[in-house]
Amino acid sequence: DAGVTQSPTHLIKTRGQQVTLRCSPKSGHDTVSWYQQALGQGPQFIFQYYEEEERQRGNFPDRFSGHQFPNYSSELNVNALLLGDSALYLCASSFYREGNTGELFFGEGSRLTVL
Amino acid sequence: DAKTTQPTSMDCAEGRAANLPCNHSTISGNEYVYWYRQIHSQGPQYIIHGLKNNETNEMASLIITEDRKSSTLILPHATLRDTAVYYCIANFGNEKLTFGTGTRLTIIP
Repeated sequence: DAGVTQSPTHLIKTRGQQVTLRCSPKSGHDTVSWYQQALGQGPQFIFQYYEEEERQRGNFPDRFSGHQFPNYSSELNVNALLLGDSALYLCASSFYREGNTGELFFGEGSRLTVL
Repeated sequence: DAKTTQPTSMDCAEGRAANLPCNHSTISGNEYVYWYRQIHSQGPQYIIHGLKNNETNEMASLIITEDRKSSTLILPHATLRDTAVYYCIANFGNEKLTFGTGTRLTIIP
């Protein structure tokens, strides 16, 4: 049973460029969340997708956008990259249910370096 | 989500119990206490969570004080593979987790 898979694992971009990161959730999961982890910090919540819609959003600018596909996989897009966007981007999946108590399964992350 | 406070770092001898404290004095009555850990260069891993009662699973035990203002994660027999950053999180179960900087636990051979 494959866990959460993310691609690419590493990438380098320059300021002003755009990037797309991809995530496939754990088998049986229908909800995908994205987190940004700067060096030495804990992960910060970006947004969550369920039923192809953004359900919750953290304190991130509109340059950060996402998408969820019918097969539950998801993309994170970041436009107009800034040096401060350099971070590890983590995808987490779960199965949505009423009274969900939030056990998330994380991928290994995509490390983005902006030069 | 309620703010949590954890020590920056701790050491524990291999084979001993590792006890990681967490303060969450402003936690709401329906907020859960979650513990995750992150081994170097990996994504966070869920360990355990609880609301009021103590909880135990194959990885750890979670002891929550009666007033719910603090908790302790216990790894009963620490191994070198338990070296990681441990995050204590108070959350309503909505999966919008607020991670702090956690406790860096080092298991000493």
